[in-house]
Amino acid sequence: GQQLNQSPQSMFIQEGEDVSMNCTSSSIFNTWLWYKQDPGEGPVLLIALYKAGELTSNGRLTAQFGITRKDSFLNISASIPSDVGIYFCAGHAQTGANNLFFGTGTRLTVIP
Amino acid sequence: EAQVTQNPRYLITVTGKKLTVTCSQNMNHEYMSWYRQDPGLGLRQIYYSMNVEVTDKGDVPEGYKVSRKEKRNFPLILESPSPNQTSLYFCASSPIPSGSSYEQYFGPGTRLTVT
Repeated sequence: GQQLNQSPQSMFIQEGEDVSMNCTSSSIFNTWLWYKQDPGEGPVLLIALYKAGELTSNGRLTAQFGITRKDSFLNISASIPSDVGIYFCAGHAQTGANNLFFGTGTRLTVIP
Repeated sequence: EAQVTQNPRYLITVTGKKLTVTCSQNMNHEYMSWYRQDPGLGLRQIYYSMNVEVTDKGDVPEGYKVSRKEKRNFPLILESPSPNQTSLYFCASSPIPSGSSYEQYFGPGTRLTVT
C-alpha cells in the first residue's frame, strides 16, 4: 500500500505553544485529511483538503495541501490541554480508487 | 444522533474460534470500511464496501471476510482467528467518495485479543 510518513512521532509542548506536524507520501494524492484520536475513541475528522495549495482553517487548526500534492501539514495555534491526542493524516491516492491511506500518527502531549 | 456503532467493544478469544464484529451506521451512507490499528503502523484498511453486495479488498484483507447484505450493516468476520489478528479494529462510513468528498466517520473501536 501507499506509504505515508508522518512527523514528528510525538511532541511534548507547553500549553499556549503552537504545534506543527506534517505528512509526506511517496505518490500524488488528490485528497488530504487530518484526524484526531482521543484515548479509547475512534478518529474524528478535523480538516479535509481537496485542492493542491489549499489552506483551510478550523478554529485554532490550519492545514495545507502541498503544491506537489505529496505532502500536507497541520498547525495548531495556542495549544490547550484538550489538544492532547494522536493526530493522523490520511490521503486518497487517485480518482476512482477508494482506499484511504493513513499516516502512523503524531502523539501530542500538552503540559499545563 | 448520527453515529457508527460497533459490537463488541472488547473481545478476548482463542485461536481458531470464529467470531464476528458487527458495525452499523444510521446515516444512510453507501460506503463502509474496516480498519485495524496497530502500534507504529497507524490505521490499515482491511475491506471496504461501496454499496450493498459490493465489497473489495483493502491493504490487509488476509484472514478476514466481510458482507454487505444491508446498507446500514457491515460485519467483519474472522473465520479462524490467529494471534497476529490481535488489534484495535475500527469501522467507518461515508457517502460515496468523490473528488470533493472523502470524509469518513469512525466507530468507537473494538479491541480484539486472540490467545
